[in-house]
Amino acid sequence: EAGVVQSPRYKIIEKKQPVAFWCNPISGHNTLYWYLQNLGQGPELLIRYENEEAVDDSQLPKDRFSAERLKGVDSTLKIQPAELGDSAVYLCASSHHRRQGIGEAFFGQGTRLTVV
Amino acid sequence: RKEVEQDPGPFNVPEGATVAFNCTYSNSASQSFFWYRQDCRKEPKLLMSVYSSGNEDGRFTAQLNRASQYISLLIRDSKLSDSATYLCVVNGRGNNFNKFYFGSGTKLNVKP
Repeated sequence: EAGVVQSPRYKIIEKKQPVAFWCNPISGHNTLYWYLQNLGQGPELLIRYENEEAVDDSQLPKDRFSAERLKGVDSTLKIQPAELGDSAVYLCASSHHRRQGIGEAFFGQGTRLTVV
Repeated sequence: RKEVEQDPGPFNVPEGATVAFNCTYSNSASQSFFWYRQDCRKEPKLLMSVYSSGNEDGRFTAQLNRASQYISLLIRDSKLSDSATYLCVVNGRGNNFNKFYFGSGTKLNVKP
């Protein structure tokens, strides 16, 4: 079974430029997450989707960040314009609800963003 | 207060040692608990789920104490390959039951 696929793996951009990340979750996983991880910290949730609906975007800086999951499968996360402080690893994860409770989250390899 | 708190370490132990990490969580309604392992510059990967009765997987034992709201991970006979950051993960409550809260991680260095 293919895991969560993210692209690109690395991205270097100048500040004020736009950038987009793509994620394809594990087939059949209805929940998709975008996390941000800074060095030495745990992942922090940016947005969570249930199918195509964004059910939790309270931590997403909406002035510059946007996300979509139009068909309830793959998703894109965009930053426009990027700032120096956005340099981090952006992780996508997916999970599947089980009858006995939630399933664990599976992560993609992440996109390491450097803003210069 | 953070939802999940962990001692960042690092824990520096010799090969063969037994080491234990604790993690505390603030949401008493949480139902699902996990330990993830994250190697340097890699994504987090599930190490084990934590069940109410405690569970063991080889050299790894996880326990849950609901009354005190903490989770523990015990590693016996440490190997060099156990060196990594261990993330404690707890789910939310209510409509956020499938929202995962991550601790900052505990770094383990196993030395020869």
